Amino acid sequence: GDSVTQKEGLVTLTEGLPVMLNCTYQTIYSNAFLFWYVHYLNESPRLLLKSSTDNKRTEHQGFHATLHKSSSSFHLQKSSAQLSDSALYYCAPPVDSNYQLIWGSGTKLIIKP
Amino acid sequence: EAAVTQSPRNKVAVTGGKVTLSCNQTNNHNNMYWYRQDTGHGLRLIHYSYGAGSTEKGDIPDGYKASRPSQENFSLILELATPSQTSVYFCASGDRGRRAEQFFGPGTRLTVL
Repeated sequence: GDSVTQKEGLVTLTEGLPVMLNCTYQTIYSNAFLFWYVHYLNESPRLLLKSSTDNKRTEHQGFHATLHKSSSSFHLQKSSAQLSDSALYYCAPPVDSNYQLIWGSGTKLIIKP
Repeated sequence: EAAVTQSPRNKVAVTGGKVTLSCNQTNNHNNMYWYRQDTGHGLRLIHYSYGAGSTEKGDIPDGYKASRPSQENFSLILELATPSQTSVYFCASGDRGRRAEQFFGPGTRLTVL
């Protein structure tokens, strides 16, 4: 069936190091946008970035992601982690004609000094 | 910016009791969603709606009912609450279409004793 995989449940990094959170999916609806959401502690989840264009880098708030349809991936990256990046990150591709999202299990990112 | 509010923000219920969680959105979005978030599971979709009068089952609907009496309001009902339903519940709203992001409410922390 349709699925999305975020293989890292927990990522712990030292401040200043690069971040890469993996997201792979099984199928997405044609021309659909894929989303990364971020959920900071004691806040609501909110959109971080989205993309629908194959092989085009999308950037927002220092993070970037590139949709690669050939490998069914949409990894989230940042060149230098900050303490304030500590949060839960969700990858969410749409799976049907109503653009209903399927949510990954989330990756908890902890940045240490 | 979309405004999604939830009430109550915190609720303690007894096993077997009825619980109603309410959600209101003021951005005239067609779609509304109820999720629960538990450690190790990420966001899981319980019920959703495409508009007033419509409710659809999500991935984990058992033990929950939903009601969408108007464009603005979407309720989640636990007829017979159980301790396994102790969780944080998020409501979200969003427009239709491939670009549509979801806007989340602040969450309701439910404890069933």
